[in-house]
This record gives sequence, C-alpha cells and structure tokens, in this order.
Amino acid sequence: DADVTQTPRNRITKTGKRIMLECSQTKGHDRMYWYRQDPGLGLQLIYYSFDVKDINKGEISDGYSVSRQAQAKFSLSLESAIPNQTALYFCATSRDNTDTQYFGPGTRLTVL
Amino acid sequence: AQKVTQAQTEISVVEKEDVTLDCVYETRDTTYYLFWYKQPPSGELVFLIRRNSFDEQNEISGRYSWNFQKSTSSFNFTITASQVVDSAVYFCALSDAAGGTSYGKLTFGQGTILTVHP
Repeated sequence: DADVTQTPRNRITKTGKRIMLECSQTKGHDRMYWYRQDPGLGLQLIYYSFDVKDINKGEISDGYSVSRQAQAKFSLSLESAIPNQTALYFCATSRDNTDTQYFGPGTRLTVL
Repeated sequence: AQKVTQAQTEISVVEKEDVTLDCVYETRDTTYYLFWYKQPPSGELVFLIRRNSFDEQNEISGRYSWNFQKSTSSFNFTITASQVVDSAVYFCALSDAAGGTSYGKLTFGQGTILTVHP
C-alpha cells in the first residue's frame, strides 16, 4: 500500500463550489504539506503543518484553507472554487526540516 | 532568496544515448539539501536522491549518477544508456535546512522534460 494517499485522484467541479481534497499518510511523519503544480511553473507551496496544532501559510494560500485532523491526515479546502485553481495538487510528508519530502500521487482538479 | 534553475526545458534523445540534466542553485545557507524528483506521465512525483551540502561525493545508482559541485553550485543528473521508461519530467529541488522554526522549504526548478525515443 502507498505511504501517502490522496483522495479523490480526479475531480471536476463548477465555479463557486466548495471542495475538499484529502491526504492520509502511514509514514508516521509529523510534517505535512500541500502544493499545487501548474504547467511550466513547478510546484508552489500552499500550506504546511508541523503537527496537529501548528499550521502555516505557504507561498500561495489565498483562496485555500486546511485542516490537520490527526497526525496522519491533512485536508485542503477550496471554499469557493474558481477556474484558475485548476491544477494538479500534491500532498507531501517529511520527518523534519532536513528530511526528504515524500509526495502522494496527486489530485487533478478542474474548475469549470 | 533561494533559487533553482533548470535551463533545459526539453531534451529529446534516442534510446541508449547518455543524457545529462543540468541543475544550478542559489542559496546563502551553508547547510542545505539538494534533491531530484521524477514525474512520469502518470503524474506522481518520485523521489530519486537527496544530497546534503557537506557531501560532495558523486553518487551512482544503476544507470543514474549525480555530480554535485559546490564550486559551481551545480547538481547535475546523468542517465546512462537511456530507456523509453526514463521519459518523464525531472525536477531539481533545494531545501532550506536551517534550524529552529524553518520548515525545510523546498524550492523547485521548473523541470526538464526528457523524451527518450525508441
């Protein structure tokens, strides 16, 4: 089984809808991250969490919110989706700030 | 500010050719980590290698090898005898590994699209 899983893997939604992307990990890592990938732009950090009580904004947090329900679970929400949030979203985990970040399989989100 | 540059946007080779993907980085930190990730057409991000700033030894893993040179701030990746399955986007990344509250920010390059033709 994969160490980092994301659901759903693909989602098409309409402008204005609320949508939640979920991430779960079995690696036992404290740190979790949400990134978005746009063609030609590499990966940009949305939010990151050191543990359940410590959540921080990344480079592009506007329009997004997160929830760390447990050490193993980190959810990303789009309260009112807009077309320019169409992207590939990745969750990642790491042990600490010097450790490798391990990525989930990604969620492809399309906002019409 | 940290920066990673992958100047080669796309590379196309024929199977069995050797290919080198370039990565140049900028950082003011004395302690940092460098990474390479592979993104195949299926979309997932696969970790390939992690190198810390104090270890300049080159690394070889099968057909893959990495050349880290602090003097030129480069961390290049070579695939020997390329295969069609090597076709993917390859990302170089740099981690801010400062202590305290640093979150180990990963700065990614733009990626290099490698296509290996049969």
